[in-house]
Amino acid sequence: DGGITQSPKYLFRKEGQNVTLSCEQNLNHDAMYWYRQDPGQGLRLIYYSQIVNDFQKGDIAEGYSVSREKKESFPLTVTSAQKNPTAFYLCASTHGQTNEKLFFGSGTQLSVL
Amino acid sequence: SQKIEQNSEALNIQEGKTATLTCNYTNYSPAYLQWYRQDPGRGPVFLLLIRENEKEKRKERLKVTFDTTLKQSLFHITASQPADSATYLCALDEERSNYQLIWGAGTKLIIKP
Repeated sequence: DGGITQSPKYLFRKEGQNVTLSCEQNLNHDAMYWYRQDPGQGLRLIYYSQIVNDFQKGDIAEGYSVSREKKESFPLTVTSAQKNPTAFYLCASTHGQTNEKLFFGSGTQLSVL
Repeated sequence: SQKIEQNSEALNIQEGKTATLTCNYTNYSPAYLQWYRQDPGRGPVFLLLIRENEKEKRKERLKVTFDTTLKQSLFHITASQPADSATYLCALDEERSNYQLIWGAGTKLIIKP
């Protein structure tokens, strides 16, 4: 079955540590996105990518980095520069280069130790 | 900037009744608006998309309306069931970028047996 897979489900970060969240899709979608969800707030876009080897910053890219070396994969690194990383992180993908009808992964909850 | 408002308080509805959720926006006329369902600890799931030239869209027990004069979308679930209990998110496109959706914080819907 086609879908989008995020791992791990739960992740803990120590101060000063970089951590990487995985996102893989087998839907043959062109565009992929990373969102951050905090309680009581709408989703906020971190980074997005429309094609391989290209990505763009969203509203809250500071302290994060991404890569898009393969169409299927769009990992997100939360760097030590991100001072408030505790949140629910969601990866999404969509066919073509629009943001209609996004497919989401099941999310990664990142917490700080 | 664009702002989306959804009822922050949970909506309690008796099973079998119609649930109506509201999404209000300001400062812009979006090309389309989307509704998603999110269960606790899971990623959002796409439900319906309605375009600016459409007044109403239906899918099984779901109905979405879009009033560009009032800057409001209403999401209806008829013959509601306890399984419909979830948080419902609305999202609209933003003029400054084709790839940045603006998301509401969501309304939690509780269907009581």
